[in-house]
Amino acid sequence: KAGVTQTPRYLIKTRGQQVTLSCSPISGHRSVSWYQQTPGQGLQFLFEYFSETQRNKGNFPGRFSGRQFSNSRSEMNVSTLELGDSALYLCASSLQGAGDEQYFGPGTRLTVT
Amino acid sequence: AQSVTQLDSQVPVFEEAPVELRCNYSSSVSVYLFWYVQYPNQGLQLLLKYLSGSTLVKGINGFEAEFNKSQTSFHLRKPSVHISDTAEYFCAVTHHGSSNTGKLIFGQGTTLQVKP
Repeated sequence: KAGVTQTPRYLIKTRGQQVTLSCSPISGHRSVSWYQQTPGQGLQFLFEYFSETQRNKGNFPGRFSGRQFSNSRSEMNVSTLELGDSALYLCASSLQGAGDEQYFGPGTRLTVT
Repeated sequence: AQSVTQLDSQVPVFEEAPVELRCNYSSSVSVYLFWYVQYPNQGLQLLLKYLSGSTLVKGINGFEAEFNKSQTSFHLRKPSVHISDTAEYFCAVTHHGSSNTGKLIFGQGTTLQVKP
């Protein structure tokens, strides 16, 4: 069974631009969660989608948004990029979300200059 | 609110020695607990999980962890480490509930450095 895939793996953007990251979950998984990983703040939860609906949201500004498609693939968008948005963005999929083990993708390394 | 504290940021150990990575959590409700490992430039890989039942949990690569409810701990152990175990290890907690779906709370991570 294929694992969680994320594209692109690396991205360099300029302040003020916007970016879209993509995540394809494991086949049969309906929940997709997104996390931001930085050296200073560690791993922080962004949001979770299930059946095309956002069920849970972390404490991030509205510039961070996402969506999920009918095939469970998910995208994350960051608008008006700031230098502090430079991070590794990880997505994870699970069967139902609550209490299930999450399987992580390799991440997208975003650098904002 | 839930929180996770990993008590050591770095743990140096010699190859074939035993190791323990410590994790304490705070929660007012029943929890599910996980240990993940992250190798450089990779995502997180699940080592083991505690959902319920036996408090001693065995995982992959010879790791095990013990859930201690009274001490709110979930320490990770391995009796003999290898060079290939050098990585960052994360303890994570969640609980079953509509307010917590898909959300893992992670500790700050412990870097395990295995020396030859």
